[in-house]
Amino acid sequence: ETGVTQSPTHLIKTRGQQVTLRCSSQSGHNTVSWYQQALGQGPQFIFQYYREEENGRGNFPPRFSGLQFPNYSSELNVNALELDDSALYLCATGGLNSPLHFGNGTRLTVT
Amino acid sequence: GDSVTQMEGPVTLSEEAFLTINCTYTATGYPSLFWYVQYPGEGLQLLLKATKADDKGSNKGFEATYRKETTSFHLEKGSVQVSDSAVYFCALSDRQLIFGTGTRLQVFP
Repeated sequence: ETGVTQSPTHLIKTRGQQVTLRCSSQSGHNTVSWYQQALGQGPQFIFQYYREEENGRGNFPPRFSGLQFPNYSSELNVNALELDDSALYLCATGGLNSPLHFGNGTRLTVT
Repeated sequence: GDSVTQMEGPVTLSEEAFLTINCTYTATGYPSLFWYVQYPGEGLQLLLKATKADDKGSNKGFEATYRKETTSFHLEKGSVQVSDSAVYFCALSDRQLIFGTGTRLQVFP
């Protein structure tokens, strides 16, 4: 049990739609990172938030955006969904350079 | 840019066999190195880490040594169990974690 909770666990959307994924942590870490894990691949860094500010971003387009709230919960928003956005989205909390606690992820399917 | 290369799987072993999963990295600085494990339907769990050259990380019978001269961080276990069946990811830290593509381990009784 990592104490990181993600919702929903599974989601099916249509191309062009928008989606919001959520993450919360029992420990209240002030750093949260989001990763995209395509089938059969390793996780790819999307972005990181530290004290409600974006603190690093990977090679993802602006239609991937995020929020971190005062209680350190977080959202990942993806606009104009594409088929290639189908993946497992992982949230992680912990230190700035080494997220130690991952949630079980949200499996997004875009049709 | 920084990158991690892992041996392709699946790795198939009998219970109590010796395990090695190779991992090499490319980095401009001196990153920390990690092994994560992912069980079916779950997120990633930190298995072990090493923060500087010649450090050995260990946990649950798994070990890996940070080898700067060969830029490697191979994962080893002397005697695997069926419960070790999972996907193993090597990763390095460079402001964020950079993962390899993962190696699936299948252990049969």
